[in-house]
Amino acid sequence: TQLLEQSPQFLSIQEGENLTVYCNSSSVFSSLQWYRQEPGEGPVLLVTVVTGGEVKKLKRLTFQFGDARKDSSLHITAAQTGDTGLYLCAGANTGTASKLTFGTGTRLQVTL
Amino acid sequence: DAGVTQSPTHLIKTRGQQVTLRCSPKSGHDTVSWYQQALGQGPQFIFQYYEEEERQRGNFPDRFSGHQFPNYSSELNVNALLLGDSALYLCASSLRAGVNQPQHFGDGTRLSIL
Repeated sequence: TQLLEQSPQFLSIQEGENLTVYCNSSSVFSSLQWYRQEPGEGPVLLVTVVTGGEVKKLKRLTFQFGDARKDSSLHITAAQTGDTGLYLCAGANTGTASKLTFGTGTRLQVTL
Repeated sequence: DAGVTQSPTHLIKTRGQQVTLRCSPKSGHDTVSWYQQALGQGPQFIFQYYEEEERQRGNFPDRFSGHQFPNYSSELNVNALLLGDSALYLCASSLRAGVNQPQHFGDGTRLSIL
């Protein structure tokens, strides 16, 4: 069974601070996706990383896929209150179907 | 362009009952996946439907079953409900059952078992 562990589980910071969320597994994934989920809504895809060592930037968010494709990180620069939410990483593998294995989630609270 | 729509949004059932949840995929998508998200946890994969067949299944008992219709919409059925089935049930759609295809999620059905 493939598992994805995220750390930290909870993070409460003030606006303007930087933060990093980690997503780790003992298994190799073909790709890894990051989602943000707000209360009462479904997860919204932020990015997909495919190549080991790949770095993708989305405005103030930087995503990295580990060289061995077992881990990933999400770094947010100068956090804003609008970044508040549940951040989820999800791994996928090749095959006939794209089943996502989700991480345990990191709940981020950004306050003024 | 309508995204993934799920119905109902909330549902309350009692132990032993059965329930049917519905999902309409995003326009142009042909693959539907179902996930269960318990409170405070990440979603867990239940199963995926493509071309009206179950293509892959997660670690869920046979009480969980599904169906996909010719118009690509899908249903999730749960029989003999248990208290532990209380969760947010999410439907995700994508184009073709292939890896790296972005999945679009609906806002889910909140199922509460009394």
